[in-house]
Amino acid sequence: GAGVSQSPSNKVTEKGKDVELRCDPISGHTALYWYRQSLGQGLEFLIYFQGNSAPDKSGLPSDRFSAERTGGSVSTLTIQRTQQEDSAVYLCASSLAQSGDTYEQYFGPGTRLTVT
Amino acid sequence: AQSVAQPEDQVNVAEGNPLTVKCTYSVSGNPYLFWYVQYPNRGLQFLLKYITGDNLVKGSYGFEAEFNKSQTSFHLKKPSALVSDSALYFCAVRPPRGTGNQFYFGTGTSLTVIP
Repeated sequence: GAGVSQSPSNKVTEKGKDVELRCDPISGHTALYWYRQSLGQGLEFLIYFQGNSAPDKSGLPSDRFSAERTGGSVSTLTIQRTQQEDSAVYLCASSLAQSGDTYEQYFGPGTRLTVT
Repeated sequence: AQSVAQPEDQVNVAEGNPLTVKCTYSVSGNPYLFWYVQYPNRGLQFLLKYITGDNLVKGSYGFEAEFNKSQTSFHLKKPSALVSDSALYFCAVRPPRGTGNQFYFGTGTSLTVIP
């Protein structure tokens, strides 16, 4: 079946502009994560959605970052007034969370964001 | 603080030799532990996980990992390396269920298998 997809695959934007990154999780996966991967660093947790529960936003680095998940499926990560330090690969992952689950995540290919 | 450490940025091994990629963690309680692999220009792929039970876990592509609670380690191993194993490997830990949603990832170890 189809895996996690993300769009666009690459995005170049000017400093100060807003960007939207999209994630289509695997159908039926109730959990969705956003991460940021910077060069030479590990994955930085940004936000977590689980079903209809309130999202865990504890990893968002500033109020310029926000995310939503419509209908429990597609998610959009929005970065307002982009800064050069926002340049990174943004990864989305989904998981089939259920009783006794083991939190195995399936990752999308990522969106490479470059802020000039 | 919760954290994961991969002490080696780069590991080189000759094809056919055993390989080890190290991971240590600092998490309260009994964590869930994972290894992921990232091939160039591709997303992370799940390799294996430790949740409970036998400390030696076997996963995809002949990889295995050993959970050592006393040393808080979860090293990735393979008895005989292949050139195709060359990739970036990430260790990840999730605190016990009910203690948060974050996964903590290491900074990655680049494995190069030399023909």
